[in-house]
Amino acid sequence: EVRLLESGGGLVQPGGSLRLSCAASGFTFYNYAMDWVRQAPGKGLEWVSSISGPGGTTYYADSVKGRFTISRDNSKNTLFLQMNSLRAEDTAVYYCATPKGGAPSERWLKYWGQGTQIVVSS
Amino acid sequence: EIVLTQSPGTLSLSPGQRATLSCRASQSLDSRYLAWYQQKAGQAPKIIIFGASARATGIPERFSGSGSGTDFTLTISRLEPDDFAVYHCQQYATSVPITFGQGTRLEIK
Repeated sequence: EVRLLESGGGLVQPGGSLRLSCAASGFTFYNYAMDWVRQAPGKGLEWVSSISGPGGTTYYADSVKGRFTISRDNSKNTLFLQMNSLRAEDTAVYYCATPKGGAPSERWLKYWGQGTQIVVSS
Repeated sequence: EIVLTQSPGTLSLSPGQRATLSCRASQSLDSRYLAWYQQKAGQAPKIIIFGASARATGIPERFSGSGSGTDFTLTISRLEPDDFAVYHCQQYATSVPITFGQGTRLEIK
C-alpha cells in the first residue's frame, strides 16, 4: 500500500522558515518524480514544486521561486520542502503527491499525502 | 501557463439527479492531459478521471469524463450522498506548471 506522510507544518512568523518532510512507503521511491501542491484556506489547488526521481531536476512555481527549495533523500524515501522568507500568502495546507508515472500522459497525481498545515502570521 | 476555469462555482442538486461540471482551458488541450479529482472536507484530493475520460481504479461507472480542445466535462449520472464534495480539474499538458481549476463545490440541495 502506498503511503505518503507529511510533517513539519505549524505556525511561523512572516519572514520565517520551515522545512516540510514527506515520508514515502509502498513503492520504489527513487523511480518517481514527486510534487508539492498547496491549498490556501477556501481556495483551489496550486502546484508548488516538482523534483525528478534521482533528484537532479527541480521545478518551481513563480510564486515560490527563490524562496522554496525541494529536495529528496532516496536512501530514506523522504521528500523535503525548505521554505524561507515565508509570507502570509503561503498559508495553506501543503500536500506531497506522486504522479502515475514518468511519461507526460502519466503526469496526473495518483497518490497524495494527508497534508500538513502552514500558517504564516505574526 | 494554461488557465483552467471551472463552472459553476457551486452546484446544488439532490441525490439521484445528474451532475454536469465544466472545465474550460485558456488554450486548446490534448485530451490525454486532463484529469479530475474529488476532494471531501478535510481530506486530500483523490483522482477520479485521467486522460479526460478514463476512470481511475475503483471509481464507479456513474462518473464519466468527456471533452476536447478547450471544453471538458465531468458527469455524475445519478448522484449518491457520498458524491457531494469539491471537484477539481487539472491539466498536465505543460508539466511545468501543472495547473488546476478553482474547483466546483457539489452540495446537497
